[in-house]
Amino acid sequence: GNSVTQMEGPVTLSEEAFLTINCTYTATGYPSLFWYVQYPGEGLQLLLKATKADDKGSNKGFEATYRKETTSFHLEKGSVQVSDSAVYFCALSDNAGKSTFGDGTTLTVKP
Amino acid sequence: SAVISQKPSRDICQRGTSLTIQCQVDSQVTMMFWYRQQPGQSLTLIATANQGSEATYESGFVIDKFPISRPNLTFSTLTVSNMSPEDSSIYLCSARGLKNEKLFFGSGTQLSVL
Repeated sequence: GNSVTQMEGPVTLSEEAFLTINCTYTATGYPSLFWYVQYPGEGLQLLLKATKADDKGSNKGFEATYRKETTSFHLEKGSVQVSDSAVYFCALSDNAGKSTFGDGTTLTVKP
Repeated sequence: SAVISQKPSRDICQRGTSLTIQCQVDSQVTMMFWYRQQPGQSLTLIATANQGSEATYESGFVIDKFPISRPNLTFSTLTVSNMSPEDSSIYLCSARGLKNEKLFFGSGTQLSVL
């Protein structure tokens, strides 16, 4: 079956530090890849997505590139802010429309 | 985009009782799903809610414990039956738009079973 493995947390960074959260996947066919974010006390929301190999998703300074050769979709941001503190979920959606989520990585950014 | 209204937002229930969670989408969607998010863990798919037919359950989840209805394209319910403290969790409704792979999520139902 499909699976998503993401970097274990929690991750604690200082403001303006560089962020990488690793995500690798296993799936048959050509899944679409997503990063979702869950801010404290809120529901999940889509952060960015990529639907085919070499696509780069970007939003709010975050980026992730769909790497088929390494089955990865690592999330990066050049300079994090306190407001980026949240739980980040890597996910894939297969051809049947079913989504599989990683375990989530908690990010805390300190001033 | 789609807006998903889910209720109740939270409830505290007694062991052995049942709770029905409602999910209403403000536009037509293709697929609706129910997830569980246990404390400190990721989302686990419970089932896909199929319009007008029985839901499709994932391994480890059965209809007798989690009956699901989807009478039309924009509404679904999940019932957590004969609850035990192990059922304490956040239950999330989600939906996929007609032309979009993106998943929209409800705000979740925080369930505590005593």
